[in-house]
Amino acid sequence: NAGVTQTPKFQVLKTGQSMTLQCAQDMNHEYMSWYRQDPGMGLRLIHYSVGAGITDQGEVPNGYNVSRSTTEDFPLRLLSAAPSQTSVYFCASEQAGVDTQYFGPGTRLTVL
Amino acid sequence: GENVEQHPSTLSVQEGDSAVIKCTYSDSASNYFPWYKQELGKRPQLIIDIRSNVGEKKDQRIAVTLNKTAKHFSLHITETQPEDSAVYFCAARSVLNDYKLSFGAGTTVTVRA
Repeated sequence: NAGVTQTPKFQVLKTGQSMTLQCAQDMNHEYMSWYRQDPGMGLRLIHYSVGAGITDQGEVPNGYNVSRSTTEDFPLRLLSAAPSQTSVYFCASEQAGVDTQYFGPGTRLTVL
Repeated sequence: GENVEQHPSTLSVQEGDSAVIKCTYSDSASNYFPWYKQELGKRPQLIIDIRSNVGEKKDQRIAVTLNKTAKHFSLHITETQPEDSAVYFCAARSVLNDYKLSFGAGTTVTVRA
């Protein structure tokens, strides 16, 4: 199993550009989520999904969209990038009823 | 929603000494409390967790204690080694918020040789 994978590892955007961060898992986990990590602020939940076709907002959803068309994939879309979205983004997955979240390797995003 | 506070933000210990990190939570319905370790440039990885029906759990040099009355839980690392140097995050999950994990701000632990 590859576990949770994320692409790209690094990305530089200009203000106003859009892009999609990819996340995939091969463990057949029902739950998937996106976090952003900023210095001194821990991990903050952006969006999450409890199954294909079901998504909901987390703590900091503004400026981001998600969709979950399959169990395996959970892409995060930045509609119009802003410098405030400079961060490290982690995707995580979890098997329902087990509690343990597995994190992907992260994407470091810089918005100029 | 749940609010998790973590202290201290930085901790420096001599190799072989113990390290203790404390977290408090606000939602009395929280029932799951994991601890994650994140090495520089790496992903967070679960090191130990505890559920609300248990007061203490140990795994080799790592232990977690939970005080439901006071709404706080702590991570204890004994006989610290250089490889314990990392950022540690606590988190809490409420039964009223079935999936969402709320994280503390993190503690940077440095083990001095």
